Amino acid sequence: GNSVTQMEGPVTLSEEAFLTINCTYTATGYPSLFWYVQYPGEGLQLLLKATKADDKGSNKGFEATYRKETTSFHLEKGSVQVSDSAVYFCALMGAGNMLTFGGGTRLMVKP
Amino acid sequence: SQTIHQWPATLVQPVGSPLSLECTVEGTSNPNLYWYRQAAGRGLQLLFYSVGIGQISSEVPQNLSASRPQDRQFILSSKKLLLSDSGFYLCAWTLKGLGTLHFGNGTRLTVT
Repeated sequence: GNSVTQMEGPVTLSEEAFLTINCTYTATGYPSLFWYVQYPGEGLQLLLKATKADDKGSNKGFEATYRKETTSFHLEKGSVQVSDSAVYFCALMGAGNMLTFGGGTRLMVKP
Repeated sequence: SQTIHQWPATLVQPVGSPLSLECTVEGTSNPNLYWYRQAAGRGLQLLFYSVGIGQISSEVPQNLSASRPQDRQFILSSKKLLLSDSGFYLCAWTLKGLGTLHFGNGTRLTVT
């Protein structure tokens, strides 16, 4: 079946540091890939997505590239802010329109 | 534009009491609807999904149930809550054939 593995947190960074959150997946066929963000006390919001190999999703300074050869979709940001502190979920959507989520990675950015 | 409403935002219930969480979607029709649970320190677990009125699929057997009495209404219920039912419950919707899942703000349930 489908599965998503992402690095365990928490990830603690200083403001303006470079961020990478690793995500790898296992799936049959050609899934779409997503990053969702959950701010404290809230539901999840779509951060970015990519629907085919080599696509790059980007939003709010975050980027992730769909790498089929390494089955990865790592999330990156060049300079994090305190307001980026949240839990980040990698997810894939395969056949049947079902999302499979990774376990989430908590990011804490210190001023 | 489409919106999703989920209530209540927080709930404290004793063990053995019933549960009813409600979710409604506005601005769209015939969506796929989902209930997820996020236990403390864990990822998201899909509990139920529905592709239409009265059509419910359960992903995890447990003492929870779901119903979809109307096209844009999705209800999560339990007859008798357990301590292990504590968690953050999220309702979500997506258009058929499109991958983006839209989440409500969640209900934090504490069973005491």
